[in-house]
Amino acid sequence: KNEVEQSPQNLTAQEGEFITINCSYSVGISALHWLQQHPGGGIVSLFMLSSGKKKHGRLIATINIQEKHSSLHITASHPRDSAVYICAVQTSGSRLTFGEGTQLTVNP
Amino acid sequence: ETGVTQTPRHLVMGMTNKKSLKCEQHLGHNAMYWYKQSAKKPLELMFVYNFKEQTENNSVPSRFSPECPNSSHLFLHLHTLQPEDSALYLCASRGDQGNSPLHFGNGTRLTVT
Repeated sequence: KNEVEQSPQNLTAQEGEFITINCSYSVGISALHWLQQHPGGGIVSLFMLSSGKKKHGRLIATINIQEKHSSLHITASHPRDSAVYICAVQTSGSRLTFGEGTQLTVNP
Repeated sequence: ETGVTQTPRHLVMGMTNKKSLKCEQHLGHNAMYWYKQSAKKPLELMFVYNFKEQTENNSVPSRFSPECPNSSHLFLHLHTLQPEDSALYLCASRGDQGNSPLHFGNGTRLTVT
């Protein structure tokens, strides 16, 4: 069992829908990262958070340290949001452990 | 544009070849990383360099040899690879502060024939 579990593995939505991707972890962490990977392979850091909630544009990330759970929400989804979304937890020092990713497809 | 540049973007090599992957960043970061991403698997950490010194080798086979001549450049030298080494190899860098995010390059798609 991975230390970081994401759900769902695949998600298909219609443009405009509200999307939620979940991440659960089993270890103590100092921070949690949400990353976006486009088909070309490049990865962009979306959020780094250790408590509460962060918002950037249509993206919202929340974390509950007690429950060892984080969610990434996308409001008013758009086809350009189609990508793989990866959750990663930061443990000792700067080591990151990654989830397998959630493939999101937003249809027009 | 993330500020981290990887070359080449694609590489096909035979098992007896020797090749190198290059990563360059001018973000002033002192930590640089090599990750491997195989199909349907999470990213795997390979090597970590801090201030040009290797601080982590995640049990990587010796056919992968990293080199960090300065804080801006990182190489991954490849020799006598196996077909199962085919994957996306990603470089990343990070600032010194504990709350600094990772900056990834676009990766090198490696195919070993």
